[in-house]
Amino acid sequence: NAGVTQTPKFQVLKTGQSMTLQCAQDMNHEYMSWYRQDPGMGLRLIHYSVGAGITDQGEVPNGYNVSRSTTEDFPLRLLSAAPSQTSVYFCASSRRGPSSSYNSPLHFGNGTRLTVT
Amino acid sequence: AQRVTQPEKLLSVFKGAPVELKCNYSYSGSPELFWYVQYSRQRLQLLLRHISRESIKGFTADLNKGETSFHLKKPFAQEEDSAMYYCALSGVEYGNKLVFGAGTILRVKS
Repeated sequence: NAGVTQTPKFQVLKTGQSMTLQCAQDMNHEYMSWYRQDPGMGLRLIHYSVGAGITDQGEVPNGYNVSRSTTEDFPLRLLSAAPSQTSVYFCASSRRGPSSSYNSPLHFGNGTRLTVT
Repeated sequence: AQRVTQPEKLLSVFKGAPVELKCNYSYSGSPELFWYVQYSRQRLQLLLRHISRESIKGFTADLNKGETSFHLKKPFAQEEDSAMYYCALSGVEYGNKLVFGAGTILRVKS
């Protein structure tokens, strides 16, 4: 199993451009999520999904869209990139959800380093 | 609002010394606490969960509801413990969200 695969690994955008960060998992996990990692702020949840066709907002959803048309894929779209979106983005999945009762830890991808100039 | 606080950005200790990475939380219900770790050039991964009450790689963490803390401890640090450590919080009242602290870099010196 490849686990959680994120593409691209690096990306540079100009302000106002749009792009999609790809995330795919081959573990048949129901739960998928996107985080951004910023120095001094840790990991902040952008959006998450508990199954195909279902998405919900996290702590910092503004400027980002997601969709979950299949169990495997959970792309993150930046509609109009801003310098404040310069960050490292992590996709993570788990069998059911992060709750201890599910006994399904998050599996993380390797991250996408995005720079917006 | 739920919150996870890791007061130290960097903790530097000598090999063989005890380690304590602090984590305090704010949560109105019954919290679920986790420690995740990111070693150099590796993916972020789960280290341990409070519900398991287990020791992983010599690390333990006890949930103290009175002090609202979930500190990570190891009696004798090893160089391979050097990594970024994140405390994380979830719970029934928070649905399917896992909230992370800002993280602490642990540096073990030889």
